[in-house]
Amino acid sequence: DQQVKQNSPSLSVQEGRISILNCDYTNSMFDYFLWYKKYPAEGPTFLISISSIKDKNEDGRFTVFLNKSAKHLSLHIVPSQPGDSAVYFCAASGGGSNYKLTFGKGTLLTVNP
Amino acid sequence: DVKVTQSSRYLVKRTGEKVFLECVQDMDHENMFWYRQDPGLGLRLIYFSYDVKMKEKGDIPEGYSVSREKKERFSLILESASTNQTSMYLCASRQAGQTFGETQYFGPGTRLLVL
Repeated sequence: DQQVKQNSPSLSVQEGRISILNCDYTNSMFDYFLWYKKYPAEGPTFLISISSIKDKNEDGRFTVFLNKSAKHLSLHIVPSQPGDSAVYFCAASGGGSNYKLTFGKGTLLTVNP
Repeated sequence: DVKVTQSSRYLVKRTGEKVFLECVQDMDHENMFWYRQDPGLGLRLIYFSYDVKMKEKGDIPEGYSVSREKKERFSLILESASTNQTSMYLCASRQAGQTFGETQYFGPGTRLLVL
């Protein structure tokens, strides 16, 4: 039972355009959501997060939107840069556990020059 | 800056061998985690430890065990390595007691090949 879903395995965008990565979740007890970025042969690095009391959080070129009623969040990258090419993981916590993160399967973003 | 280090970047082992993967963090974090990452499956939690000598099974603990004798060190043990344990293994740590912020800090990963 996959509680965090990233339905697009890959996404390709042109440099300078917007990248939108999507994530859906099924557990209504999740109250904190994170995005991680991972380059090949490296560990994931934390990118941005949002708590369930907000619907938007912005950090530079990165913005995360949360739609609780739809159990959906998205990561917007504007403008996209070639260095943003990586796998992006959506993760969620809550639902009775203060320790665990539940990850999606990831989306490979390729930003073409 | 949090630093999480893993003892090896690449390992090649034979089926049936006992394998030890070591992870050390330098930020006095209480919580530590072991994941494996496989293509198309994302990150799956194997075991975690919320404090010294404490451990809990994650989603896929079969074939693995862990040891946490010191706060900074969390070891993953493959009792008898099998080819289906070929994977990228990622260690992470987190400071306990946060109201929000499940931010976990990851090591660089160990790519294990079991022949």
